[in-house]
Amino acid sequence: SQTIHQWPATLVQPVGSPLSLECTVEGTSNPNLYWYRQAAGRGLQLLFYSVGIGQISSEVPQNLSASRPQDRQFILSSKKLLLSDSGFYLCAWKGPSVISPLHFGNGTRLTVT
Amino acid sequence: KNQVEQSPQSLIILEGKNCTLQCNYTVSPFSNLRWYKQDTGRGPVSLTIMTFSENTKSNGRYTATLDADTKQSSLHITASQLSDSASYICVVSAGGTDSWGKLQFGAGTQVVVTP
Repeated sequence: SQTIHQWPATLVQPVGSPLSLECTVEGTSNPNLYWYRQAAGRGLQLLFYSVGIGQISSEVPQNLSASRPQDRQFILSSKKLLLSDSGFYLCAWKGPSVISPLHFGNGTRLTVT
Repeated sequence: KNQVEQSPQSLIILEGKNCTLQCNYTVSPFSNLRWYKQDTGRGPVSLTIMTFSENTKSNGRYTATLDADTKQSSLHITASQLSDSASYICVVSAGGTDSWGKLQFGAGTQVVVTP
């Protein structure tokens, strides 16, 4: 069966520090991968998606970046965090079919202080 | 403007009672609509998917309906349980050949079931 791992679960970082969140998927190959951010009381905002190794599409211009060094690995990074980067970050994978569901990890709660 | 609007924003119901959540969308062309349940501090989990030709679909105590003409969907929870306390998110997929489906998310309805 397919599983998705996302870590860390919680993170407190000072403003200006770097960020690296990692997500890995098991049990499937060539998944579509996504990074979402969820602010309190708001809907999910798509940050990045990837349809293959090294292929990254950005939906929202900001100080975050994403990379996909391996087929089932997706990394969210920042060189210098801002206070506004605080939020709940979710990684997800999806099959190629338009009716395939999103499978989410359990998220990372990031607090920038 | 958000293409997927959910109501109410939140609701409190007594254990054992029923409730109905609404989702209105303007996404076009329409491909499918999916309801997700998100427990606090966890990632959302898919409950059910509705395609254009489907009017009603059930998953246990959850029943989703779709009216593609009025672009409305509802999620009905029957005989609510404490474990139903969660945020319920409506996600609409636009038609098209792009494999990632151009998903539009509602802001969710926060449901609290009290004993």
